Amino acid sequence: EVQLVESGGGLAQPGGCLRLSCAASGFTFSTYSMNWVRQAPGQGLEWLSYIGSDNRRVYYADSVRGRFTISRDNAQNALYLQMNSLTVEDTAVYYCVRDENWQLIDWGQGTLVTVSS
Amino acid sequence: DIQMTQSPSSLSASVGDRVTITCQASQDISDYLNWYQQKPGKAPKLLIYGASNLETGVPSRFSGSGSGTDFTFTIRSLQPEDIGTYSCQQYGNLPLTFGGGTKVGI
Repeated sequence: EVQLVESGGGLAQPGGCLRLSCAASGFTFSTYSMNWVRQAPGQGLEWLSYIGSDNRRVYYADSVRGRFTISRDNAQNALYLQMNSLTVEDTAVYYCVRDENWQLIDWGQGTLVTVSS
Repeated sequence: DIQMTQSPSSLSASVGDRVTITCQASQDISDYLNWYQQKPGKAPKLLIYGASNLETGVPSRFSGSGSGTDFTFTIRSLQPEDIGTYSCQQYGNLPLTFGGGTKVGI
């Protein structure tokens, strides 16, 4: 069974930083590309970032480029999102998502990030 | 960025009704469109990929159609467990973008 478990969410101050982690199991992590998608309270889904299976291809949404960094450790079956210069607009549930040909096929349960002073 | 316009934003129907949701892309995306279901408090779940392909394990009452800029998602006979929000997502170009969602109630 595929499992994606996010952690690292919580309360951050504007201008602060957080690092999200996603522990993957139940599939060969090193062969799948991964994404981060977020959902602000009461809002729709927003794709943030993609990383290829071998770390070579990385893409970002304009809203987070230059502030967020996606990375992965295939030896540890882990995906990360380093989030810097946080603003109140970054308040959302953040999902780790397994990708197959741009189908977002498996989602974690999400971790809530709240940015507030 | 490709804008995805989804309608309606919400609907209420009866058990057994046919439900139709539309999604319009701001430019041609061929059939690079997925549909997701999100139940309250849960993560989204992929239902339809490539505009019309049913994901494994998804009931056959769900279907999708369309290509280019206009797409349709249909629930043939609405069931109580289908309550939730349905969203389209295009992958014709980066960034991946989603429709605003349709909240389906009974």
